[in-house]
Amino acid sequence: EIVLTQSPGTLSLSPGERATVSCRASQRVTNSYLVWYQQKPGQAPRLLIYGASNRATGIPDRFSGSGSETDFTLTISRVEPEDFAMYYCQQFDNSIPALTFGGGTKVEIK
Amino acid sequence: QLQLQESGPRLVKPSETLSLTCTVSGASISSSNYFWGWIRQPPGRGLEWIGSIYYTGTTYHNSSLKSRVTMAMDSPKNFFSLRLTSVTAADTTVYFCAAQDSATKRIDFWGQGIPVTVSS
Repeated sequence: EIVLTQSPGTLSLSPGERATVSCRASQRVTNSYLVWYQQKPGQAPRLLIYGASNRATGIPDRFSGSGSETDFTLTISRVEPEDFAMYYCQQFDNSIPALTFGGGTKVEIK
Repeated sequence: QLQLQESGPRLVKPSETLSLTCTVSGASISSSNYFWGWIRQPPGRGLEWIGSIYYTGTTYHNSSLKSRVTMAMDSPKNFFSLRLTSVTAADTTVYFCAAQDSATKRIDFWGQGIPVTVSS
């Protein structure tokens, strides 16, 4: 089973700052199956990025994804007040098949 | 717009079986476009995939839960279901049903989630 490790656990930022969230996989991940979600308290997660770098419909261009194989990054170029939330990466391993999530990163107001 | 709605008992006794249903609207669960899945999230913690079912009836499970999980689908009524046997307090969590795009494997749509407590 592929394990996804996110870092940092918590990111304390002021509005307007840049957020960088890392997702490291224990084995090579198929790029097309690496996904990022945002989740706010009391809500279901919302799709942000799929295929490692493709923004979902309606997602602002301040959100971007990059990376390959075992190292992936979610970047928010300038954090807006509505971006303070939890962020999760997810991968799908077609060989099993199985889906796994990272442990999450909280982006909080400094 | 595809929508999903979880339903079922919110309180289950230890050692009993948790049964949840996810009703789908705006799409047919007989479509090859989606896997229909279950994800759970303990209070204040991260997301855990439980398993998914495809329109063919093929199921995929989290290996840590596999022996306790059964999933099924009712195409005429357009819903799919989850059964989790021998529950313990560790199964107290919010359960989400979801639609996962079969090509990209991203989860496009989520239910609102249903909190379930395991307690006597």
